Amino acid sequence: GENVEQHPSTLSVQEGDSAVIKCTYSDSASNYFPWYKQELGKRPQLIIDIRSNVGEKKDQRIAVTLNKTAKHFSLHITETQPEDSAVYFCAASGDGSARQLTFGSGTQLTVLP
Amino acid sequence: EAGVTQSPTHLIKTRGQQATLRCSPISGHTSVYWYQQALGLGLQFLLWYDEGEERNRGNFPPRFSGRQFPNYSSELNVNALELEDSALYLCASSLTGTDTQYFGPGTRLTVL
Repeated sequence: GENVEQHPSTLSVQEGDSAVIKCTYSDSASNYFPWYKQELGKRPQLIIDIRSNVGEKKDQRIAVTLNKTAKHFSLHITETQPEDSAVYFCAASGDGSARQLTFGSGTQLTVLP
Repeated sequence: EAGVTQSPTHLIKTRGQQATLRCSPISGHTSVYWYQQALGLGLQFLLWYDEGEERNRGNFPPRFSGRQFPNYSSELNVNALELEDSALYLCASSLTGTDTQYFGPGTRLTVL
C-alpha cells in the first residue's frame, strides 16, 4: 500500500518568513495530493490540492509543487502570519478502490510574532 | 451549505463495551470515509463507503465495522473496545468518483 513520509515534524518561523513542508510517497499510482490544516481541537481543513497532471499550483500565499519522477511534493507558505500556526498534513490517494487518503505524520508549524 | 456533521461529540465507554459513531455527509455527497486520529499516530484510514457499499477498509481488526444508509449517512461501530481505541474518529465525505474529501468535526472516543 501507499506510504507517505512528511518532514519536518516541527517548524518554527518568524512572522513574514516563508515555510516549506515536504512529503514523499511510495505508490507511483497515486495521483491526488491534498494538504490539510488542523488547528487545535478543530477538524482538518483542505487548504490546497494538486493532481498528477500539474507541477505547481498557487492560491494567494500558499503553493504546492509536485515532482512525479521523484515522488515528492511540497507545501510553501509565504509571508507567514501567526494564524498560520497549526498542524499541516499532506496526503496521497489514487483512483478506483484507492481513493482513501494516506496521510503523512503531520508538521506542527509555529509562526512567531 | 451545511458541512459534514458527526455525533456524538464525545463518547466515554469502558473496555469491552461497544461504541456507535454517526456521520452525515455534505448534501449530495455519496462517499463517506472514516479515519482514526490517535495521539501521536496521525490519521489512519478505517473504512470507505460509497453508494451504500463498503469499497475498502484499512488495516484495522474486524471489530471495526460500519454501514451506510440509503440517505448516505454512515455509522461506525467498534466492538469489544480496548484502551488503545481511544482516539478522535473523523468522518469525511466526497462526491462519488471525485478526490476531494471534506472532514467533519470528529467524535472523541475515550475508553476507560
